[in-house]
Amino acid sequence: EAGVVQSPRYKIIEKKQPVAFWCNPISGHNTLYWYLQNLGQGPELLIRYENEEAVDDSQLPKDRFSAERLKGVDSTLKIQPAELGDSAVYLCASSLGRVNYNEQFFGPGTRLTVL
Amino acid sequence: GDSVTQMEGPVTLSEEAFLTINCTYTATGYPSLFWYVQYPGEGLQLLLKATKADDKGSNKGFEATYRKETTSFHLEKGSVQVSDSAVYFCALSPGIIFGKGTRLHILP
Repeated sequence: EAGVVQSPRYKIIEKKQPVAFWCNPISGHNTLYWYLQNLGQGPELLIRYENEEAVDDSQLPKDRFSAERLKGVDSTLKIQPAELGDSAVYLCASSLGRVNYNEQFFGPGTRLTVL
Repeated sequence: GDSVTQMEGPVTLSEEAFLTINCTYTATGYPSLFWYVQYPGEGLQLLLKATKADDKGSNKGFEATYRKETTSFHLEKGSVQVSDSAVYFCALSPGIIFGKGTRLHILP
């Protein structure tokens, strides 16, 4: 069974440019998460989807970040415009139902460098 | 708000040594607790979990017991191997809060 797929794996952009990350969760997983992980830190939740509905986006900086999950499968996270401080690894994860009781599977992440 | 605090790393041990990585939490209600591991060059993966007080999670020789009275979920292993070298994250849910991670180095 394929795991969580993310692309691109690496992205280098200049500040003020837009950038988008794509995630394909494990087939059948209705819950999808986007995290940000800074160097030497643990992942921080940005947004959680239950199917196509964003049920927790309280930590998403909505002035520059946006996300969508059309048809409740693939998801895209966008930053526009990017700032130097956005350099980090962006992780996508999925689970079958609530994470309290179901394992969360992580993708390999996209490492973003903003110059 | 909810939070997770785990011991600072890196932790360096010799092979076959006993391992403890401390994790304490602050949460309202009754969270579920997790340990995740990130091996070099790989993504995060669930190591073990406990969903209620006094539950013990175990996997690959690692164990952790959900202690509500001390709000702790310490990770232990009786005899570590070089292959256990990785970064370990304690986490809780709902809210999905991760600790900062503890890097473990095992020397042969």
